[in-house]
Amino acid sequence: GIQVEQSPPDLILQEGANSTLRCNFSDSVNNLQWFHQNPWGQLINLFYIPSGTKQNGRLSATTVATERYSLLYISSSQTTDSGVYFCAVVRGSNTGKLIFGQGTTLQVKP
Amino acid sequence: ETGVTQSPTHLIKTRGQQVTLRCSSQSGHNTVSWYQQALGQGPQFIFQYYREEENGRGNFPPRFSGLQFPNYSSELNVNALELDDSALYLCASSPLGREAFFGQGTRLTVV
Repeated sequence: GIQVEQSPPDLILQEGANSTLRCNFSDSVNNLQWFHQNPWGQLINLFYIPSGTKQNGRLSATTVATERYSLLYISSSQTTDSGVYFCAVVRGSNTGKLIFGQGTTLQVKP
Repeated sequence: ETGVTQSPTHLIKTRGQQVTLRCSSQSGHNTVSWYQQALGQGPQFIFQYYREEENGRGNFPPRFSGLQFPNYSSELNVNALELDDSALYLCASSPLGREAFFGQGTRLTVV
């Protein structure tokens, strides 16, 4: 089956710094989503981005489907950005089965 | 428009017991998927329901079963609970093949 790898596994930043999280996948995908998991466990949608570039405030994402990777950029990080970031992909058009990476744990220090 | 809601939020069960978790899908969504997330891991796909029929299953034993109702809400049932079933159970709804939205999860502890 398809493999999803996220890097780095852990990241510690000072407030105000920028960061880039990477997601590699081993086969072609139909959909890709980025999530932020809050301390209570809920997955918050960040981007639905099977290809191209999107921006939402301080966050942006780029997926290069032909090269099988996606990047999540966080600029001017805040302590509230702390948590686990997951990339998840869907392979196939008649399924919503999300295959998750292992996540990147981000800690932003004040 | 309400989002995805799950109940209960926390649950403690004894090994060997049975449990039912519930999920109300977001308005307009006909697909519900269930995931199990062990501590420190990414969520793992259990199964998906589309228009009341199972539409894909992950690598979970038959004691994990589910239902989807005409209003697209769903239940996850787990029989003969084992200690390793302790996890966060997440429900997601979507139009088939489109962006998925998750509920807040049910944290199950098996003792």
